[in-house]
Amino acid sequence: DIQMTQSPSTLSASVGDRVAITCRASQSISSWLAWYQQKPGKAPKLLIYGASSLESGVPSRFSGSGSGTEFTLTISSLQPDDFATYYCQQYNSFFWTFGQGTKVEIK
Amino acid sequence: QLQQQESGPGLVKPSETLSLTCTVSGGSISSSSYYWAWIRQPPGKGLEWIGSIYYRGSTYYNPSLKSRVTISVDTSKSQFSLKLNSVTAADTAVYYCARAQEFWGTGSYYYYMDVWGKGTTVTVSS
Repeated sequence: DIQMTQSPSTLSASVGDRVAITCRASQSISSWLAWYQQKPGKAPKLLIYGASSLESGVPSRFSGSGSGTEFTLTISSLQPDDFATYYCQQYNSFFWTFGQGTKVEIK
Repeated sequence: QLQQQESGPGLVKPSETLSLTCTVSGGSISSSSYYWAWIRQPPGKGLEWIGSIYYRGSTYYNPSLKSRVTISVDTSKSQFSLKLNSVTAADTAVYYCARAQEFWGTGSYYYYMDVWGKGTTVTVSS
């Protein structure tokens, strides 16, 4: 199976900060990577697919980059609504796996 | 707009079978463009993919759960279902159903989960 490792596990930031979350795959997954945002008690919400394609309705301050084994989710200017946990997920094969999550907290 | 709703018992006894259903509305479960998936999240932990099914019945399962999992689809009711047998406390989790959107690339189809249900909590306890 393909293992996904996110860093950091927790990120403390202020409103307006630019933040970046990294996701590494244990083998190449081309660009078959999605990013999700999850708030407490809610279902995950798709932000990015294909490593860099923004899902419809998602604010443009979110962006994704990378290919192969290293990927980044960037929030250009952190907003109050963005404090949440973020997960990456690979879909290169039909054994889908998630990263362990990155919690973005208020500094 | 597509919606999905999980339903089933919130409490299951150890060694018994967990059974959940996801009802799809606002769209067709029989579309050739989607797989339908189950994902779970233990309390305070991350997400784990359980398995996926196509409307014609082809399935993929997480190898770590494959011996205990069955996913089925009933297109006439616009539902797909999860059965997990021989449950233990480790199966306590929020269970989500999701739609997996098709994307063609490099000679194959790839699927990412774009619409999720709200989730249902299942506790395994005597």
